Amino acid sequence: VQLVESGGGLVQTGGSLRLSCAASGKSVTTDNMSWVRQAPGKGLEWVSVFYSGGGTNYADSVKGRFTISRDESKNTVDLQMDSLRAEDAAVYYCATRESTGYYLQWGRGTLVTVSS
Amino acid sequence: EIVMTQSPATLSLSPGERVTLSCRASQNVNSYVAWYQQMPGQSPRLLIYDASNRATGIPARFSGSGSGTDFTLTISGLEPEDFAVYYCLQRYKWPTFAQGTRLEIK
Repeated sequence: VQLVESGGGLVQTGGSLRLSCAASGKSVTTDNMSWVRQAPGKGLEWVSVFYSGGGTNYADSVKGRFTISRDESKNTVDLQMDSLRAEDAAVYYCATRESTGYYLQWGRGTLVTVSS
Repeated sequence: EIVMTQSPATLSLSPGERVTLSCRASQNVNSYVAWYQQMPGQSPRLLIYDASNRATGIPARFSGSGSGTDFTLTISGLEPEDFAVYYCLQRYKWPTFAQGTRLEIK
C-alpha cells in the first residue's frame, strides 16, 4: 500500500487549498481514510476521517472550513481547505486504517504554508 | 476531547539502556492506545496497538502495557535507530495524540 499526497503550497490567510491523497495497492473504500497534520516542530493532530461506510468527521478546529471527499474511480481522498488560518500551516499526512483498527500506512506528507 | 499526556518531554539516554515512556489519558480509554515513532522528516510509524500488541515487523525490544488511563512503552536495549520522537494515541473517541517524548542520545 502506498499513499502519495499532493496539493500543498503557499496560500494567503482566508484562502483555499485542495489536498489530494492517491492510494495504490488498496482501495480507498476498503477502510477508513484520514488526514492528520503536524505544525512545524509540533505534535500530531487528527484532522478528518472518511469512514469506509461513507460518513465523515472532523476535528473541532476545522469543522465548517474543511471538507473531506473520496473518489472511488480515481482511488483518491481529497481535503478541501477553505478560510485558511495561520494555525492551519502544517505538514498534512494521509493515512489508512487497517485490520487492527489503527493507521499503519501513512504518506510522506504535503506542506501547507499560510501567510498573512 | 480526551487529552493524552506523555512524560517526560525529553529523555537523554545511551545506546543499550532500557527506557520506559509514560502516557496518561484524561479519561478511561480501555486499551485503545497506540504508540508511534517518528524520525525527523518522516511520517509516523506504528509500533504498538491496543496498548500491548506489536505491529508487523516491529522488533521484540518494543513492548507496551496498560489499560484504562495509564500506559507505558518500554524499549529494552536502545539501538541507535531508536532515538526519535514517540507519540501515544487514543482511538476510544475522536483520535488524539499526546505531545510526544523525544529520545535523544546522551
